[in-house]
Amino acid sequence: IAGITQAPTSQILAAGRRMTLRCTQDMRHNAMYWYRQDLGLGLRLIHYSNTAGTTGKGEVPDGYSVSRANTDDFPLTLASAVPSQTSVYFCASSQEGSSYNEQFFGPGTRLTVL
Amino acid sequence: GQNIDQPTEMTATEGAIVQINCTYQTSGFNGLFWYQQHAGEAPTFLSYNVLDGLEEKGRFSSFLSRSKGYSYLLLKELQMKDSASYLCAALDSNYQLIWGAGTKLIIKP
Repeated sequence: IAGITQAPTSQILAAGRRMTLRCTQDMRHNAMYWYRQDLGLGLRLIHYSNTAGTTGKGEVPDGYSVSRANTDDFPLTLASAVPSQTSVYFCASSQEGSSYNEQFFGPGTRLTVL
Repeated sequence: GQNIDQPTEMTATEGAIVQINCTYQTSGFNGLFWYQQHAGEAPTFLSYNVLDGLEEKGRFSSFLSRSKGYSYLLLKELQMKDSASYLCAALDSNYQLIWGAGTKLIIKP
């Protein structure tokens, strides 16, 4: 692995289903982030984690949950998907949270909820 | 509230110079980032400014005026591969990035 990987690349999901988007980084970065990107809107932060074992809510956390059991993995779970969660989801990481460090992005997951 | 404004779309000619402007209003300020995003791909880091002035990095330069809440990205000697969206993002007092919607830059031969 080099950098950040996300899985799946794309997914079509029925409303009401549970879905986990996976994110793994091998850069030993302390901070990780989940964003959603919708046409005409900027990237919006869903949840973040400044270090393993801690998580925080971003701008649009409702309907999503995360966990950070170790440094490398930061899965995002939609407990019961709704059509408004149709979006492109990006995972990102940075050396440290609460700093000016640049963020590195994964390739994204394109999710469609019908 | 927090807000980032940048033009939705710009068109420029190959070999020319283009300036993409960004204005920001955030609660606290810890710097301004520019990212490039090609269609269907992830954003990639271009520049970071925290002090007033111009930072030059090859064909790309970024300028910041903290007193005016203003930044611009200057692209020189445009190439077709520069066709992409350019995202402006400000780091607020909680060190969270507030993102603009992006400026889609179209380069014509």
